[in-house]
Amino acid sequence: AQSVTQLGSHVSVSEGALVLLRCNYSSSVPPYLFWYVQYPNQGLQLLLKYTSAATLVKGINGFEAEFKKSETSFHLTKPSAHMSDAAEYFCAVSVASRGNKLVFGAGTILRVKS
Amino acid sequence: DAGITQSPRHKVTETGTPVTLRCHQTENHRYMYWYRQDPGHGLRLIHYSYGVKDTDKGEVSDGYSVSRSKTEDFLLTLESATSSQTSVYFCAISVSGQNTEAFFGQGTRLTVV
Repeated sequence: AQSVTQLGSHVSVSEGALVLLRCNYSSSVPPYLFWYVQYPNQGLQLLLKYTSAATLVKGINGFEAEFKKSETSFHLTKPSAHMSDAAEYFCAVSVASRGNKLVFGAGTILRVKS
Repeated sequence: DAGITQSPRHKVTETGTPVTLRCHQTENHRYMYWYRQDPGHGLRLIHYSYGVKDTDKGEVSDGYSVSRSKTEDFLLTLESATSSQTSVYFCAISVSGQNTEAFFGQGTRLTVV
């Protein structure tokens, strides 16, 4: 069964520093992977998705993620954090069955210090 | 924003009462989902629908039922609300296929007292 593990429930970085949010997946078939962001009191917004076309995926707001099959990872990065990046981030995997269901990780809250 | 409207946005209800949450979409997407979000658990799937009158259970379906009589509406009912169902509920929609993303509504904050 597909599953996702996000390492670190809270990550704190300084403004301008590298952002690295970790995601490892478990899947018996080639996965489809997603990163979503949630700002306070809002719904989830898609940052980027991996669909096997390219291992390095670029998303919105300067974020990117690299799919590494050998490490079963799909870590999210951004070279320089901005105060507006403070939010909760969720990694998700698409379940290979009827319904296109997404299975989510527990989330990582990103704090950006000035 | 994807055309998804959840109602109500906030609700406080008493233990043992039935509660219905509504999700309305204007995108004509085939798939609709109800998730609940709780700290430390991310989002967990309650029920989903892959067409009118076609629904199925997710991983946390106990105590919940759903109905979809029209493409645009997906209702979630808590048959007899319990305190453990205090949560934020999100509706999501998806076109189809495994590699398509889901679009989320703004959420409904439900408190059961």
